[in-house]
Amino acid sequence: EVQLLESGGGLVNPGGSLRLSCAASGFTFSSYSVNWVRQAPGKGLEWVSSISTGSSYRLYADSVKGRFTISRDNAKNSLYLQMDSLRVEDTAVYYCVRHGSPTAGFYDNWFDSWGQGTLVTVSS
Amino acid sequence: QSVLTQPPSVSGAPGQRITISCTGSSSNIGAVFDVHWYQQVPGTAPKLLISNNSHRPSGVPDRFSGSKSGTSATLAITGLQAEDEAYYYCQSYDNSLSNFVVFGGGTKLTVL
Repeated sequence: EVQLLESGGGLVNPGGSLRLSCAASGFTFSSYSVNWVRQAPGKGLEWVSSISTGSSYRLYADSVKGRFTISRDNAKNSLYLQMDSLRVEDTAVYYCVRHGSPTAGFYDNWFDSWGQGTLVTVSS
Repeated sequence: QSVLTQPPSVSGAPGQRITISCTGSSSNIGAVFDVHWYQQVPGTAPKLLISNNSHRPSGVPDRFSGSKSGTSATLAITGLQAEDEAYYYCQSYDNSLSNFVVFGGGTKLTVL
């Protein structure tokens, strides 16, 4: 069974930093691109970032570009999101999400497995 | 303001058929990109409902179906059940934006 378990969320002051982690199990992690998708309280889904299997391609939403860094460690079956210069508007549940196909490209893929999410609250 | 437009809410009685629209443009749905649909029960993570416009993953009831035409896509649910009450999101890609993954704003389905 595919499992994605996020951790690292919490309360942080504006301007602060936080590092999210996602532990993957139940599949060959190194074969799949993975992503972060967030959801602000009472709002819809917003894509944050994607990373390819070998980390060659890293894509970011405009809202986080230059502040967030996605990375992965295939040996540890783990995905990370380093969040710097956090803003109040970054407050959200952050989901670790797997692409559905290991062979389809970024543009041909879908999000087939989601973690339970970790809440990040940016507030003074 | 979402790149993909969905109605904020729809409703139907048990047993009825409802549809949820997802309208985009020539740079996303109207281009070569497929549309995917997700169901989210409040308080839980989203779940993949339909991939590649009309493909149902294993375990998704055949009451759910999807289609795409031009710059729009549609999710249909037949034989509405109380457990279908949830939020539904469409998702695609866009080749004119830096944010290459785009979601609809979500539709709240109420089963009367």
